[in-house]
Amino acid sequence: NAGVTQTPKFRILKIGQSMTLQCTQDMNHNYMYWYRQDPGMGLKLIYYSVGAGITDKGEVPNGYNVSRSTTEDFPLRLELAAPSQTSVYFCASSYRGEGNEKLFFGSGTQLSVL
Amino acid sequence: GDSVTQMEGPVTLSEEAFLTINCTYTATGYPSLFWYVQYPGEGLQLLLKATKADDKGSNKGFEATYRKETTSFHLEKGSVQVSDSAVYFCALSLDTGRRALTFGSGTRLQVQP
Repeated sequence: NAGVTQTPKFRILKIGQSMTLQCTQDMNHNYMYWYRQDPGMGLKLIYYSVGAGITDKGEVPNGYNVSRSTTEDFPLRLELAAPSQTSVYFCASSYRGEGNEKLFFGSGTQLSVL
Repeated sequence: GDSVTQMEGPVTLSEEAFLTINCTYTATGYPSLFWYVQYPGEGLQLLLKATKADDKGSNKGFEATYRKETTSFHLEKGSVQVSDSAVYFCALSLDTGRRALTFGSGTRLQVQP
């Protein structure tokens, strides 16, 4: 039972570098989300997707891009890393029939930009 | 905008002590309310929920009651165990198309034997 899998778990980037955070789920969920969590703060929604080929911005989308070419995968792209993007990133998914109450989360990616 | 405010942690308790973690919310409309828990090294998972005023959510000995008059959803447990040590997140959701959650900042609970 894999659920939601995120890779990598940890990463250190230099300012201006690019990287992709991978997220995949094996539950055939149609909704997927990317959140970030800064120290002492709640989770903030970056992007979300309601199905393959459909993505939309959340509260804090600047500096990020996403794609959803398959139901399973929802990668998050950082093009020009900045120190303000140092955070813990969580990917989540849910099934339409469950409404919005049961999100399944990955274990997170801790990213530092130096 | 919509927001959730939780008490700051860490909360440190001895085993079998009574637990309360406060949560209040601000929302336009009538949200559903949730508690999620994150154990060390794992992702968040749903602990309990309530979808309308005066509903009580419960799971694993934890309870929370949706209080519309005080806009609160406090988490309680009568007797905590070491295994309850985790970070607890209060969250709300409005029935919009994206179906995303608005989270509080989380409260770390440490239970000592």
